[in-house]
Amino acid sequence: DAGVTQSPTHLIKTRGQHVTLRCSPISGHKSVSWYQQVLGQGPQFIFQYYEKEERGRGNFPDRFSARQFPNYSSELNVNALLLGDSALYLCASSLPTGGSYNEQFFGPGTRLTVL
Amino acid sequence: GQQLNQSPQSMFIQEGEDVSMNCTSSSIFNTWLWYKQDPGEGPVLLIALYKAGELTSNGRLTAQFGITRKDSFLNISASIPSDVGIYFCAGQLYNNDMRFGAGTRLTVKP
Repeated sequence: DAGVTQSPTHLIKTRGQHVTLRCSPISGHKSVSWYQQVLGQGPQFIFQYYEKEERGRGNFPDRFSARQFPNYSSELNVNALLLGDSALYLCASSLPTGGSYNEQFFGPGTRLTVL
Repeated sequence: GQQLNQSPQSMFIQEGEDVSMNCTSSSIFNTWLWYKQDPGEGPVLLIALYKAGELTSNGRLTAQFGITRKDSFLNISASIPSDVGIYFCAGQLYNNDMRFGAGTRLTVKP
């Protein structure tokens, strides 16, 4: 079975532009989370979506938005890009079981460079 | 917000040596997790800990969930070259929000 897939692999944008990153979860997984990983740091939680609804949000500005589609794939959108938005953006999917913890499986990430 | 302090930042060891790294927080987490990340890939889960005081092993890996729920350690015994990578601790809140440490970069010399 395919794991979590993300596209594109790499992306170069300039300040002020807008970017859309895409994620396809593992088949059967209904929850998708997005993380930002700046070089040399651990991932930082941005959003979680489950059944097309936002279920959690990290400490990121409103320039960051996301959505989940009926097939459970997801998009992360970032407006008015800043140099500091340069990072690896990770998507993780999970199969919510109703328990207190659902293992998240990470994709390989999209490397965004803002010039 | 919740901050996780992970140490050491980096380790250089000989193949066959044991490794120990730890993570502390000022906040309580419901679940502690340890991940490994290789270059060009996303983190991969190594061990998940669900209860305070829990000690769990996965092959050569052993991890413990601190009794106060504010800390955890990971031990790797008899290191091998493929153990090279960056290890992250993570604490998970009730709403699946995960907070990661800054990582421990492990280098194993043959």
